[in-house]
This record gives sequence, structure tokens and C-alpha cells, in this order.
Amino acid sequence: ELKVEQNPLFLSMQEGKNYTIYCNYSTTSDRLYWYRQDPGKSLESLFVLLSNGAVKQEGRLMASLDTKARLSTLHITAAVHDLSATYFCAASPSDYKLSFGAGTTVTVRA
Amino acid sequence: ETGVTQTPRHLVMGMTNKKSLKCEQHLGHNAMYWYKQSAKKPLELMFVYNFKEQTENNSVPSRFSPECPNSSHLFLHLHTLQPEDSALYLCASSHLWDSFNYGYTFGSGTRLTVV
Repeated sequence: ELKVEQNPLFLSMQEGKNYTIYCNYSTTSDRLYWYRQDPGKSLESLFVLLSNGAVKQEGRLMASLDTKARLSTLHITAAVHDLSATYFCAASPSDYKLSFGAGTTVTVRA
Repeated sequence: ETGVTQTPRHLVMGMTNKKSLKCEQHLGHNAMYWYKQSAKKPLELMFVYNFKEQTENNSVPSRFSPECPNSSHLFLHLHTLQPEDSALYLCASSHLWDSFNYGYTFGSGTRLTVV
């Protein structure tokens, strides 16, 4: 069974500083997905990483994938309040199933 | 609005009640999913439907009964629930053969409280 672990589970960020969220998974997965969830809202797709070495960037967020290390990172540059949310990573053990991590709750303070 | 609509948004039910959650998508997707999201736990996959056929039941108790009348609609029928079933229930959909490339589209969820 594919297990996905995120750390940290809670992250208090100071505005303007850089931070990284880590996502490890236990068995082979060639794809890695990052989602964002605001309180009371749906999960919104942020990135789909499709191959080893993939890097994607959107605004202050950058995600990367190392399939050999079974590790994905979500890097946040110069945190701003709007980035406060819960971030989930998910890996795919088969063609259509996604297994999710527990989520990282991010709070950005002034 | 994400393209996947769930109703109701909030539901409070007693342990002897029967209620249903509804999910609807008009994205042309052919796979639909029910997930349970409890506090401080990873999302738990409950059921998977591909082309209206159930292809996965992750050892979900029989007090949860899914129904998929067509590729656009998915229901979760609830009866004699327990307080530990209180959670956010999320519906998602995808193209069966494109899930790998695009992931899922999620609904906003139904916040269920069992009293």
C-alpha cells in the first residue's frame, strides 16, 4: 500500500521568508500532485509533476519531483498572507487512484 | 465553482436517520470518487466508480452505500451512522485515463455531523 508522508504538518511562516514542505512516498509513483485547500473550500489543483526531475512554478510556489528519492518538495518564496492554507501532496500507485498525505497547514504571519 | 457540485454543504443527522449526499459533475469525466476527510488524518478513499461501475470499495462499513446512476451523478446514502463518522465528505471526478496527467477535480464537500 502506498503511504504518503508530509512534513511538517503545521508551518508558521513569517512574511517575506522562504520555506519548504516535503512529501515522501513509500512505493513507486511516477506522478506527484499538489493541492491547496482553504478552510471550508474544495481542494484546488496546484501542480502535476509527471516525471523525474520535473519542476513547476506558479507565482511564489515551486514544486519539484525526485522519483528516485521518492520525494517531492513545495518551495514557498517570500511568503505572503494569501498563501495561508492547507497543502496536500498525493502520489498515484495505479492508473487512477491517488493517495494523499495528511496535509501541511500553513499560517503566514506579518 | 470547480465544476463538481456537492449538496448539501452541511448536514447534521442523528444516529438513526437516513440521509443522502449528492455529487454532480458536468466536466465530461467518467470516473468519480468519494473521499472522507477527518481532522488530522489523510484523505481516505472510500469508493471509486468508473463508467458508473463500482471498481473500489476500501473496506467501507455498510452503513455507507454509494450509488452512481450515470457518469455525471454520484450519491452516498447514509444510515445508522456513528459519531466517529462525522467528517468532511469530498467527491471528486476525473477522466479515467487522464487521471495520471491531470489528477482529480474536487467538490467543496459536505460537512457531516452525527449526533
